[in-house]
Amino acid sequence: DTEVTQTPKHLVMGMTNKKSLKCEQHMGHRAMYWYKQKAKKPPELMFVYSYEKLSINESVPSRFSPECPNSSLLNLHLHALQPEDSALYLCASSPLDLSGNTIYFGEGSWLTVV
Amino acid sequence: GENVEQHPSTLSVQEGDSAVIKCTYSDSASNYFPWYKQELGKGPQLIIDIRSNVGEKKDQRIAVTLNKTAKHFSLHITETQPEDSAVYFCALRYSSASKIIFGSGTRLSIRP
Repeated sequence: DTEVTQTPKHLVMGMTNKKSLKCEQHMGHRAMYWYKQKAKKPPELMFVYSYEKLSINESVPSRFSPECPNSSLLNLHLHALQPEDSALYLCASSPLDLSGNTIYFGEGSWLTVV
Repeated sequence: GENVEQHPSTLSVQEGDSAVIKCTYSDSASNYFPWYKQELGKGPQLIIDIRSNVGEKKDQRIAVTLNKTAKHFSLHITETQPEDSAVYFCALRYSSASKIIFGSGTRLSIRP
């Protein structure tokens, strides 16, 4: 079972709202990721958590705030977003062992900022 | 810096024919090369991957080849079917990093 579950599937929020995207995996993976994907573009890495600690932040604006409460959960808190932040937000996970770092993606959360 | 180029950006083939997508990279430290298929409205799905100590890997109609000397790797799909229509992304990981970066994608269309 290689399942990464993301909620909600669709989210519409105003520029003054505070919302969160949630991600869950039960594969025992110790690395979790947030990617952003605009239409007709490849996924772009935002954050990487390794062993529940933030290991990579790709210079993402502070209006995006990641959180990893435990090894199975990953959140992305959203505040004061701009319309150009509208995109598909993908969560992913991978093992951190000698089997390799194969990354498995969820189906994504479609975010529209109005 | 980290870079992977993917070609072509669009590809249309007759059903039953083969499709080939190629990616080139610059950093010789890259050691893991996955390929993802993304259907409309869905997340990327891993379809095949290859590690730097292997030159070729095959899984039914899908194969990936890696040329470390020339720094390129390719996806080969044989006997294409309508359900192969999607956007395909190559990707790679650097040995010292836990992140994976993607090529620009290839939109594959299978003509009936």
